[in-house]
Amino acid sequence: NAGVTQTPKFRILKIGQSMTLQCTQDMNHNYMYWYRQDPGMGLKLIYYSVGAGITDKGEVPNGYNVSRSTTEDFPLRLELAAPSQTSVYFCASSSGGLAGAGKEQFFGPGTRLTVL
Amino acid sequence: AQSVTQLGSHVSVSEGALVLLRCNYSSSVPPYLFWYVQYPNQGLQLLLKYTSAATLVKGINGFEAEFKKSETSFHLTKPSAHMSDAAEYFCAVSGASYDKVIFGPGTSLSVIP
Repeated sequence: NAGVTQTPKFRILKIGQSMTLQCTQDMNHNYMYWYRQDPGMGLKLIYYSVGAGITDKGEVPNGYNVSRSTTEDFPLRLELAAPSQTSVYFCASSSGGLAGAGKEQFFGPGTRLTVL
Repeated sequence: AQSVTQLGSHVSVSEGALVLLRCNYSSSVPPYLFWYVQYPNQGLQLLLKYTSAATLVKGINGFEAEFKKSETSFHLTKPSAHMSDAAEYFCAVSGASYDKVIFGPGTSLSVIP
């Protein structure tokens, strides 16, 4: 199993550009998450999904969009990049939820994004 | 609402000394609690978790944590620090509907030779 994979590893964007961060998991997990990590701030949840076709906002969704057309994939879209979106982005998956409460989240290696 | 606080954003210990990383939580439901570790330039990985069984939880790499309901704490300890323990450590609590996890701000652990 590859686990959770993310592409790209690094990206530099200009203000106003758009891009999609890719995330794929091969563990057949229903739950998938997107976090951003800023120094000293821990992880902030951007969006999450409890299954294909179902997504919901987290703490910091503004400026981002997601879709979940398959169990495996959960891409994160930045439409108009801003310097405030400079961060490290992590995708994670789990078999969590009420029935699987307490289940571990598996994290990808992250995407380091800089917006100039 | 669920929340996590971690006392000390940076902790330094000497190699061989006790490691103690503090975590306090608030939760409106019986909590599930986690400690994750992040090594430089990597994603997070689970160290250990509390899921309402034993209050003293043992994890990987010699770490353990004790759930104390009366103190709403879940502190992480290791008897003897090793250089390879240098990393960022995150405490987390399950959300009210258990569909997400709330992370603390993290504690950076340095180990001094």
